[in-house]
Amino acid sequence: EIVMTQSPATLSVSPGERATLSCRASQSVSSNLAWYQQKPGQAPRLLIYGASTRAIGIPAKFSGSGSGTEFTLTISSLQSEDFAVYYCQQYNNWPTFGQGTKVEIK
Amino acid sequence: QLQLQESGPGLVKPSETLSLTCTVSGGSISSSNYYWGWIRQPPGKGLEWIGSIHYSGSTYYNPSLKSRVTMSVDTSKNQFSLKLSSVTAADTAVYYCARPGQVYSYSGYFDSWGQGTLVTVSS
Repeated sequence: EIVMTQSPATLSVSPGERATLSCRASQSVSSNLAWYQQKPGQAPRLLIYGASTRAIGIPAKFSGSGSGTEFTLTISSLQSEDFAVYYCQQYNNWPTFGQGTKVEIK
Repeated sequence: QLQLQESGPGLVKPSETLSLTCTVSGGSISSSNYYWGWIRQPPGKGLEWIGSIHYSGSTYYNPSLKSRVTMSVDTSKNQFSLKLSSVTAADTAVYYCARPGQVYSYSGYFDSWGQGTLVTVSS
């Protein structure tokens, strides 16, 4: 099993600021890495796949980077609708998810 | 536009079998080469992939759940189903059906999700 570890668990950010979320894989997953946003009571929403490709309809404020075992999701200029939980997921092997990073209003 | 909708009992007794169905609309399960998956999320916790199935019947399961999971597909109804046997309280979760964005791959990024259905295991 490839274990995905996200940090931090909670990130407090002021509106308008940038958020940087990290995801580490226990072994290389190449670029087979996705990011999701989940709001309370909703299904996850795909943001990024292939480590850096935005999904259809996702604004440019969301950007992903990394390969191998270290990945980053950056959200620029946070607005109220961006405060949510974010998950990374690898699909280099059978799918596994990180435990999530909650982005909260500071 | 592809839509997925889960259905099934919201309450299951311990040791019994959980059964859920996902109905797909806006696309045919059998006219594409996608795998169709189940993912669950215990209350307040993270996401866990349960398994995926192709319309041909080919399946892949999470090794930690494999002994208790059975998936099937009904192309005539454009549905696929999940059965999880010998459930315990640890199986209480929101269950999502979802589809990867890539064809021919049981393991991919999931770009289409159902709204999810809460299943509680309790006597």
